[in-house]
Amino acid sequence: AQSVAQPEDQVNVAEGNPLTVKCTYSVSGNPYLFWYVQYPNRGLQFLLKYITGDNLVKGSYGFEAEFNKSQTSFHLKKPSALVSDSALYFCAVSASGSARQLTFGSGTQLTVLP
Amino acid sequence: DAGVIQSPRHEVTEMGQEVTLRCKPISGHNSLFWYRQTMMRGLELLIYFNNNVPIDDSGMPEDRFSAKMPNASFSTLKIQPSEPRDSAVYFCASSQTSGRGTDTQYFGPGTRLTVL
Repeated sequence: AQSVAQPEDQVNVAEGNPLTVKCTYSVSGNPYLFWYVQYPNRGLQFLLKYITGDNLVKGSYGFEAEFNKSQTSFHLKKPSALVSDSALYFCAVSASGSARQLTFGSGTQLTVLP
Repeated sequence: DAGVIQSPRHEVTEMGQEVTLRCKPISGHNSLFWYRQTMMRGLELLIYFNNNVPIDDSGMPEDRFSAKMPNASFSTLKIQPSEPRDSAVYFCASSQTSGRGTDTQYFGPGTRLTVL
């Protein structure tokens, strides 16, 4: 079975500061990792994904994520947070041959304070 | 290019009534997913289709829920009879599935269902 853990329900950061949203995973086989963002009353929007290759993945809106196989982590990062980044962030995992496709974490509410 | 389209965006109904949610996937995508989002349970996969065929419906909560995909451009999720605990936001997502698990799912805006 595959699973995702987002250990922080809420992350607060000041505008202009770097932000990190944590994610760890558990799968059998090679992991494929995704980050999505959800703004209020909207659907989930794809940010980035890791399939293979470079451990640092760059995505939309200046976000990036680092895949760490030994720590089974895929933390989302941004060097300088904007107030408009405030939203709910979901990490998700799938694995080669996974019949159930994506498994989502519980989500982390990011609040960027002006 | 249009994204995933869902209708209605909001639905308020009374307990016992039938509810039908609709989804149009992105053109050319061959997989479609129905999710339910609640505060208590987060985002749950209900069912997914590949090439219009239901592949995994193990997430469907009970027999009151049913889903169909009569063609590549349309799917429905039906609840009959509805109950207050069905109140949630229901999302439809689609992807071009390679079968390798690497595919990106694209989500619709969701239907907010309230059962009184």
